Amino acid sequence: DAMVIQNPRYQVTQFGKPVTLSCSQTLNHNVMYWYQQKSSQAPKLLFHYYDKDFNNEADTPDNFQSRRPNTSFCFLDIRSPGLGDAAMYLCATSRELGRSSYNEQFFGPGTRLTVL
Amino acid sequence: QKEVEQNSGPLSVPEGAIASLNCTYSDRGSQSFFWYRQYSGKSPELIMFIYSNGDKEDGRFTAQLNKASQYVSLLIRDSQPSDSATYLCAVRAKTDKLIFGTGTRLQVFP
Repeated sequence: DAMVIQNPRYQVTQFGKPVTLSCSQTLNHNVMYWYQQKSSQAPKLLFHYYDKDFNNEADTPDNFQSRRPNTSFCFLDIRSPGLGDAAMYLCATSRELGRSSYNEQFFGPGTRLTVL
Repeated sequence: QKEVEQNSGPLSVPEGAIASLNCTYSDRGSQSFFWYRQYSGKSPELIMFIYSNGDKEDGRFTAQLNKASQYVSLLIRDSQPSDSATYLCAVRAKTDKLIFGTGTRLQVFP
């Protein structure tokens, strides 16, 4: 089945210790997104890739970086996690951008990050 | 004013009843509207999307859109305990970014 996969599902890191979260997709979608979601809050878009074009949200801290080495994979790097970065990190994909019928976003299962 | 507003709930309905979930948005130029269901500790799952004014039905779910009033709703008929979850409304902004509401928690009791 075509899907969005995130690894690991649970990640524990120490304050200030770099961590990388992984997302892969078998949908062959052009767009991949990273969201941060804290408890009882809306998902917050951090950045997205349209193919190889990277788009950073204006309020995404520099502490968050992303890489997309190929169509299938996208990584979220948190260079120096703080206690406030503990959250669920959601990867999503869509076939296209724009106001077409192909822009529905499909989410992976998420990675829950704990910062000690 | 928040870009996408939802009542946080909880909305409690008995099993078999109709659950009505509401969402308002501020960007009059928004074109695409989505409803996601999110179980506790899980990721959002797309239930329905709607682009045109009026109703769109899919099984027990009906999405309703009124662009003049900047209002979108989701009706769940014959509610089941398994429908208990948080329902996120999402609106595609002019920037093509998806803006999420904070969600409405639905509780369906037997």
